[in-house]
Amino acid sequence: VLTQSPGTLSLSPGEGATLSCRASLDVGANCLAWYQQRPGQSPRLLIYGASRRATGVPDRFSGSGSETDFTLTISRLEPEDFALYYCLQYGSTPFTFGPGTKLEIK
Amino acid sequence: QVRLVESGGGVVQPGRSLRLSCVASGFVFSDFGMHWVRQTPGKGLEWVAFVSYDGSNKFYADSVTGRFTVSRDNSKNTVYLQMNTLHSGDTAVYYCAKDVGRAWDYPDFWGQGTLVTVSS
Repeated sequence: VLTQSPGTLSLSPGEGATLSCRASLDVGANCLAWYQQRPGQSPRLLIYGASRRATGVPDRFSGSGSETDFTLTISRLEPEDFALYYCLQYGSTPFTFGPGTKLEIK
Repeated sequence: QVRLVESGGGVVQPGRSLRLSCVASGFVFSDFGMHWVRQTPGKGLEWVAFVSYDGSNKFYADSVTGRFTVSRDNSKNTVYLQMNTLHSGDTAVYYCAKDVGRAWDYPDFWGQGTLVTVSS
């Protein structure tokens, strides 16, 4: 089971954001990914392997963590960053998503 | 560029069946595993199923095991999701997603989704 916190994060453009994803069991080999979903769009891969940025993802997005605790950090929020963020563990089947964190404009 | 187009969604009565299709283009389909993921309206994401590049390995969420079957036809660049004994809890937007590799790994590209509504 994955839990994400906070459920909603209210920040202003230019601020930094820290999103948490916690697993109930060790996520083997750091098999943890982060996705962004903007309203009306499909999810977009941001981070895989806990800390590796996907192609085309701005370097203001960074991932960290291991075992059961993972973090997505967004520095200097841009208006297009306000969206839903989900973590996914793919270390074992069934794959599981976290419930999501909504990043909203304050 | 990578493109995934889902179809087959619609309104279906409880207990009935539906088959979703996802046609892929822009990459060598037979080299990649494929996922199905669903999203309940206004809610979060739920991984549903995975099929490996050659169809030899399949995995399912507990909530659909025994009712849903994933398959693929590499000659048609298409992955399918056969959904049987549907109930209201299956109402969702269903996305197909390309895996980054052949065996199970993580999805790196998603289609736009098709809506399935289970209602009498």
